[in-house]
Amino acid sequence: GAVVSQHPSWVICKSGTSVKIECRSLDFQATTMFWYRQFPKQSLMLMATSNEGSKATYEQGVEKDKFLINHASLTLSTLTVTSAHPEDSSFYICSARKGASLESLHFGNGTRLTVT
Amino acid sequence: GQSLEQPSEVTAVEGAIVQINCTYQTSGFYGLSWYQQHDGGAPTFLSYNALDGLEETGRFSSFLSRSDSYGYLLLQELQMKDSASYFCAVLDYKLSFGAGTTVTVRA
Repeated sequence: GAVVSQHPSWVICKSGTSVKIECRSLDFQATTMFWYRQFPKQSLMLMATSNEGSKATYEQGVEKDKFLINHASLTLSTLTVTSAHPEDSSFYICSARKGASLESLHFGNGTRLTVT
Repeated sequence: GQSLEQPSEVTAVEGAIVQINCTYQTSGFYGLSWYQQHDGGAPTFLSYNALDGLEETGRFSSFLSRSDSYGYLLLQELQMKDSASYFCAVLDYKLSFGAGTTVTVRA
């Protein structure tokens, strides 16, 4: 079964509003979670690394004031897309590592965001 | 930075063998991994090569040549359910994905 749960699976919002996406590790504690964005027919692009109890590390070109990440507990990280615009419409996927090996990196089922 | 190249799409018939090549350029390198993603779903881990050579897992095998900065994923005895996108990904301080190869399996 799934070990990383992402919610919601899809959301439609109006331009200018904010949307929060949750990523939970279900049966393990994750000090680090990763947030990716994927446009149709394109690669997964790492947006940021979420660290429990400290600030997230953002990749170059990702606006940290627009994509707010909070990792308040060992099982939950949230991504808030603030003042969303149509160009933010994308598939957002989180992942968390259950163990030390790469094989233990599990992905959530993603959130399809559509901004109208 | 990192760059990875893989073919954009491949079509084959059931029972056939498909090889998806991946070449990469990266400043740091720990290994090459492969993921499968069905439309709208989560990427799922297929394999990881840290050392040169061939790793076999059932119908899927993955190969790495570090000196050539090259690897491939081999899909054997293709089944309809193998129709999906396949991504190679390089691991250095983070996991960087290629653009993906869409594999279409026809009856």
